[in-house]
Amino acid sequence: KNEVEQSPQNLTAQEGEFITINCSYSVGISALHWLQQHPGGGIVSLFMLSSGKKKHGRLIATINIQEKHSSLHITASHPRDSAVYICAAPTRGGDKLTFGTGTRLAVRP
Amino acid sequence: DGGITQSPKYLFRKEGQNVTLSCEQNLNHDAMYWYRQDPGQGLRLIYYSQIVNDFQKGDIAEGYSVSREKKESFPLTVTSAQKNPTAFYLCASRHRRGTNYGYTFGSGTRLTVV
Repeated sequence: KNEVEQSPQNLTAQEGEFITINCSYSVGISALHWLQQHPGGGIVSLFMLSSGKKKHGRLIATINIQEKHSSLHITASHPRDSAVYICAAPTRGGDKLTFGTGTRLAVRP
Repeated sequence: DGGITQSPKYLFRKEGQNVTLSCEQNLNHDAMYWYRQDPGQGLRLIYYSQIVNDFQKGDIAEGYSVSREKKESFPLTVTSAQKNPTAFYLCASRHRRGTNYGYTFGSGTRLTVV
């Protein structure tokens, strides 16, 4: 069993839909990361959060430390949001990251 | 602007040749990491370094080597001993602010061995 699990693995949406990607983790963490990987492979860090909620444009990330669960929401989705979204959790010491396998999102016009 | 630079973006090598992937950061981060990504799998840790002149093996270090002679540089060599080197390689670095640990990621190098 992976220490960081994401769902769904694949997601197809119509432009404008509200999207939710979930991440559950079993490791103890100080903060959780949400990353975006585009088809070319480059990875961009979207959020690092240790509690509550963070918002950036149409992206919202929430985390519940007690339940060891985080969600990434995309409001008014657009085809340019099509990418792989990855959550990653550092170990308690913060020395290493454990990555989920990613959620592949395709937004159709 | 500060960041991590990985080069090259795409790399092709013949089987049996060693190849070195570059990772440079100008963020003054102490820790640097190398990850490997294969289709359908999460990123896996190859090597990491928390300070200059020191590094530790990650989960899949066999067939790889690293050096950390300078704080800003952490090159990864894929040796001929690596049985399946074709993959996407990602470098990252980390700073430490209180109890929060922020990571910055490079844009990756896609290595194809033919």
